[in-house]
Amino acid sequence: QKEVEQNSGPLSVPEGAIASLNCTYSDRGSQSFFWYRQYSGKSPELIMFIYSNGDKEDGRFTAQLNKASQYVSLLIRDSQPSDSATYLCAVNPNTGNQFYFGTGTSLTVIP
Amino acid sequence: GAVVSQHPSWVICKSGTSVKIECRSLDFQATTMFWYRQFPKQSLMLMATSNEGSKATYEQGVEKDKFLINHASLTLSTLTVTSAHPEDSSFYICSATQGGTDTQYFGPGTRLTVL
Repeated sequence: QKEVEQNSGPLSVPEGAIASLNCTYSDRGSQSFFWYRQYSGKSPELIMFIYSNGDKEDGRFTAQLNKASQYVSLLIRDSQPSDSATYLCAVNPNTGNQFYFGTGTSLTVIP
Repeated sequence: GAVVSQHPSWVICKSGTSVKIECRSLDFQATTMFWYRQFPKQSLMLMATSNEGSKATYEQGVEKDKFLINHASLTLSTLTVTSAHPEDSSFYICSATQGGTDTQYFGPGTRLTVL
């Protein structure tokens, strides 16, 4: 079992729709959860992090964390073609600063 | 804030030569830096973790004598690919964390092509 699992996609949504990206993790003791966006040929850029159960909103992005079910999700409202990228879920298992990364979900927003 | 730079952004070298890649935290002190490698259409692979003034911790399967990491200061870490071969061609990305936090900020990456 991988430490962090994501649906590789591709996920396609029409412009203006809500894109929902999901991630599950295996280490129940994990405390920190991160979403990164990676455009093709570029390095990952941080979208947001979440530490507590519930929702955290930042602009069009909402991260949702459910530690009991060991999943974290990212919602992108009013999706734009510029949101087309691979989204990486990362989890800190609390054994140091090393992250476990998922393989990423490829999102395409269709104009 | 939390800007990480890498130099060079791309490099082409001949097989057998060594290549040094620099990773700098521009506006913060990086207590820990990480080096990743990413092949086309694959996920990030952690190569090593380095703390300033300490020897790097390499992931299983990464040759420490081939990928030399030096974290000489709180703002600079270097990765040297020694005796590079075509199979070392990849996208090398560093990241850094500030003291007291675990958020990793990534550099823009260095694309290495070994001929």
